[in-house]
Amino acid sequence: GAVVSQHPSWVICKSGTSVKIECRSLDFQATTMFWYRQFPKQSLMLMATSNEGSKATYEQGVEKDKFLINHASLTLSTLTVTSAHPEDSSFYICSARSTAGLAYEQYFGPGTRLTVT
Amino acid sequence: AQSVAQPEDQVNVAEGNPLTVKCTYSVSGNPYLFWYVQYPNRGLQFLLKYITGDNLVKGSYGFEAEFNKSQTSFHLKKPSALVSDSALYFCAVRGAFTGGGNKLTFGTGTQLKVEL
Repeated sequence: GAVVSQHPSWVICKSGTSVKIECRSLDFQATTMFWYRQFPKQSLMLMATSNEGSKATYEQGVEKDKFLINHASLTLSTLTVTSAHPEDSSFYICSARSTAGLAYEQYFGPGTRLTVT
Repeated sequence: AQSVAQPEDQVNVAEGNPLTVKCTYSVSGNPYLFWYVQYPNRGLQFLLKYITGDNLVKGSYGFEAEFNKSQTSFHLKKPSALVSDSALYFCAVRGAFTGGGNKLTFGTGTQLKVEL
């Protein structure tokens, strides 16, 4: 149980275009989902926290107009990288917290590798 | 602010030997502590956690960790390493107080390399 999926697993896009990454909780409902970014050989940096039905809370330094987050249902959150540039190339990982589980439990998706050319 | 330190970028160990991956933390109040493992181009897999109770926590794949409050440490250990244990290991902490917004803070990761 407690499986989180991400789609796509990897994507290549051209500079200036937008790309959407989906995060789904497959067998549980997630009130809260988290989006992380990971650069090569570096740690996970929290980008934003999204709560179902409300606006996402972005970490300091993260451009909310560039990284659009929508958490429209209890099983789906999306991250849209708008007007992507090569510096947005990274590994993006989502995580979900179950509505029914303990508050400290987070389940991680497999990640999405974004390459902007 | 909470923080996690993993002082070693890489740990090398021979297969069959014990391994230790170090982690120290800083957090207000009681900590919730976690270890995750990441294989190349994959997400994080949960290994074990300390919430309360026994200081020695046993987790997946034969890993264990010991919570030491006085030293604010939560080192990951395994009695006998396997080549398949080679991966990137992350320690993470969050405060124990309730609140939906409480966040995990990750260390910088330690690359474990187990050689024959």
